[in-house]
Amino acid sequence: DQQVKQNSPSLSVQEGRISILNCDYTNSMFDYFLWYKKYPAEGPTFLISISSIKDKNEDGRFTVFLNKSAKHLSLHIVPSQPGDSAVYFCAASEGLMNRDDKIIFGKGTRLHILP
Amino acid sequence: NAGVMQNPRHLVRRRGQEARLRCSPMKGHSHVYWYRQLPEEGLKFMVYLQKENIIDESGMPKERFSAEFPKEGPSILRIQQVVRGDSAAYFCASSPDNSYEQYFGPGTRLTVT
Repeated sequence: DQQVKQNSPSLSVQEGRISILNCDYTNSMFDYFLWYKKYPAEGPTFLISISSIKDKNEDGRFTVFLNKSAKHLSLHIVPSQPGDSAVYFCAASEGLMNRDDKIIFGKGTRLHILP
Repeated sequence: NAGVMQNPRHLVRRRGQEARLRCSPMKGHSHVYWYRQLPEEGLKFMVYLQKENIIDESGMPKERFSAEFPKEGPSILRIQQVVRGDSAAYFCASSPDNSYEQYFGPGTRLTVT
């Protein structure tokens, strides 16, 4: 029973174009969402987050959009750069109201930025 | 400020042996989480600890696995009598009191032969 789903195992995008990574969730109690980036042989690195009271959060080239009615969020990277090639994990938590709640991760999407 | 440290980075154990994985959280972080990543899978939550307390161990197998975060020293994830299915990457993360973001260590890759 996967509560956080990333249906695209991989995605290839031309350098300079926009990368859009998608994520769906099933638990309506989730109120905090995060994106992590992971390079091979390294731990995941926190990228950006959004709470359920917002529908958009922007940080430099990275923007996360949240559509609560559709239980969907997406990460936009623009412009895409070679260093963005990595695995991206979507994650969610009920933690905004309950500090002790765990983060549930999706299976990840491998992003390839093509030269 | 050093990041989350895990050691060893690679660990090979024969079936039936014990595996001990260590995690030193970032300075000032009192919340530690352990995750397991199987090949081609996402990270699966195992256990959440604060100093000397297990807060949530709902993701940890009931048998052979245990975790601790003592008052002094690193957090330890212990796997007794390892089996081939325990082969995975084990990641530790820590967070401070005032943030939900978790900062991950580089992981320990456990191989059971």
